[in-house]
Amino acid sequence: AQKITQTQPGMFVQEKEAVTLDCTYDTSDQSYGLFWYKQPSSGEMIFLIYQGSYDEQNATEGRYSLNFQKARKSANLVISASQLGDSAMYFCAMRGRDSNYQLIWGAGTKLIIKP
Amino acid sequence: DGGITQSPKYLFRKEGQNVTLSCEQNLNHDAMYWYRQDPGQGLRLIYYSQIVNDFQKGDIAEGYSVSREKKESFPLTVTSAQKNPTAFYLCASARSSYNEQFFGPGTRLTVL
Repeated sequence: AQKITQTQPGMFVQEKEAVTLDCTYDTSDQSYGLFWYKQPSSGEMIFLIYQGSYDEQNATEGRYSLNFQKARKSANLVISASQLGDSAMYFCAMRGRDSNYQLIWGAGTKLIIKP
Repeated sequence: DGGITQSPKYLFRKEGQNVTLSCEQNLNHDAMYWYRQDPGQGLRLIYYSQIVNDFQKGDIAEGYSVSREKKESFPLTVTSAQKNPTAFYLCASARSSYNEQFFGPGTRLTVL
């Protein structure tokens, strides 16, 4: 069965510093996708970035990048030059054949950016 | 503006009552989803639909029901059989199961 693990329940980071949020996964699939979402206090989930298991390069979207290490089964989210508005919950999710192509979610990491 | 709307934002229910949560999208997406989120936890899939007039149970479907009569609408009914319905409910849609999901603002349900 597929599983997502986010080991950091919470993090405090100084504004303008880079942040790495950890995500490890477990799957027997060869083809799968990894997603990161942001959930501000308002509750809405905002899609940030996607990485396919066969993508050769790490995904990037503006200040977000995904540090994909396939052999270690890790898909860490890196936020460069953090801003106060980055304070939120962050969720890692994956999709694959084992889950009938539905998303399996981690428990999330609460990120607080300090001014 | 394209997007997903959920209503109401807050909902209070007495024990033993059924309630229906609305989810509408104008993104022309085929796939729609309902998730439940409890405090400090990730999302759990209740039901999903990949096409009109078809839907499948997710991991925690017991006590819930859905319909998908129109492409843009996927209402969720929380029945009295759901033993602990107090939670935050999120609706999402996607072009297909292989695409990223986009979410509505959520409905917070409280059982009194």
